[in-house]
Amino acid sequence: SQQGEEDPQALSIQEGENATMNCSYKTSINNLQWYRQNSGRGLVHLILIRSNEREKHSGRLRVTLDTSKKSSSLLITASRAADTASYFCATVLQGGSEKLVFGKGTKLTVNP
Amino acid sequence: GAVVSQHPSRVICKSGTSVKIECRSLDFQATTMFWYRQFPKQSLMLMATSNEGSKATYEQGVEKDKFLINHASLTLSTLTVTSAHPEDSSFYICSARNKRGGSYEQYFGPGTRLTVT
Repeated sequence: SQQGEEDPQALSIQEGENATMNCSYKTSINNLQWYRQNSGRGLVHLILIRSNEREKHSGRLRVTLDTSKKSSSLLITASRAADTASYFCATVLQGGSEKLVFGKGTKLTVNP
Repeated sequence: GAVVSQHPSRVICKSGTSVKIECRSLDFQATTMFWYRQFPKQSLMLMATSNEGSKATYEQGVEKDKFLINHASLTLSTLTVTSAHPEDSSFYICSARNKRGGSYEQYFGPGTRLTVT
């Protein structure tokens, strides 16, 4: 089964609100990455957090990682309609693997 | 920088024919390229990993004789879907990584929508 599981599967909010998406995984990781996908398009890398990091920021994005709970969260602050997309977490497992294992994704809709 | 292109973006083919999809890294050398498949409203599933100049490593359940991958240069990988069937209809996405940089980041192409009729 897939390594990452996002929660919720779908999220609908108003512009200006914050959006929080969660990701859980099963095995030890080297790092965890968040990607964004607009409908029918490729993926855009948002942020990478290493297993020894707990929090990372990039613009309006804030990612946390709790390795004891095997979970991560992505917070988008002050959301905009243009943030509407699907968001995926992906893990790189420990042990030298370079493969990304994707979760099922959260579909975010930001209403103007 | 770090742009990956795919060609074609959309392709419709008839059952039994073969289709080739190209993945190019435009401004960096891709020591490793990955091919993913994505069904509607689902996540990406890794099909295979290819390193330049060597045979691709396929994930469990992916038929290597059906999905031929060639990574002949540091900027080009191709995926050929042979004897396509309607169930092969999907969104195929490639990604590329420059391992020499030590980064785990993968840069994704825009995807190719394959429809087999």
